[in-house]
Amino acid sequence: ELKVEQNPLFLSMQEGKNYTIYCNYSTTSDRLYWYRQDPGKSLESLFVLLSNGAVKQEGRLMASLDTKARLSTLHITAAVHDLSATYFCAVAGETSGSRLTFGEGTQLTVNP
Amino acid sequence: DGGITQSPKYLFRKEGQNVTLSCEQNLNHDAMYWYRQDPGQGLRLIYYSQIVNDFQKGDIAEGYSVSREKKESFPLTVTSAQKNPTAFYLCASSRGFAKWTETQYFGPGTRLLVL
Repeated sequence: ELKVEQNPLFLSMQEGKNYTIYCNYSTTSDRLYWYRQDPGKSLESLFVLLSNGAVKQEGRLMASLDTKARLSTLHITAAVHDLSATYFCAVAGETSGSRLTFGEGTQLTVNP
Repeated sequence: DGGITQSPKYLFRKEGQNVTLSCEQNLNHDAMYWYRQDPGQGLRLIYYSQIVNDFQKGDIAEGYSVSREKKESFPLTVTSAQKNPTAFYLCASSRGFAKWTETQYFGPGTRLLVL
């Protein structure tokens, strides 16, 4: 059974600071997704990582994938208040098609 | 505009009642999914459909039923057998179900509350 763990689950940080969210998963996978959810809203796709060593960046967010370590990171650079949201990673197992297993989410609060 | 719509936004269920949540997409996607989200938790897969007239159980299918009679529609019925239905329900779709298919896109969600 594929398990996905994120840490931290709660993150409070000051504007301008850097931080990293970690996503570990338990079985072989070569596809990992990062989503953002604002309170009471749906999920918005941020990144799709499809191979070992993949790195993608959008604004102040950068995601990477290490399939050998079964680890993905979401790095936040110089945080701003608008980044406050819950961030989910989701993993597709090698034999599961598009079926995803989600982590619990990291609730990020960026304080002025 | 292409996208996924869900209705209603809020739904109230009385004890013993079946209720149906609507999900429609005009993205011409083959695959559709239903997830449940409880407060402070991640998403759990209820049912998914790879193609019209076909669907499979996810991780928490008990107390739920679905149909897929049209490509663009994937309604979810929460039956009276689901004893704890209060949650946020999210519908998603993707181009297909094969390994190389990419992102799932999500609808705005339906919040179900029990009276």
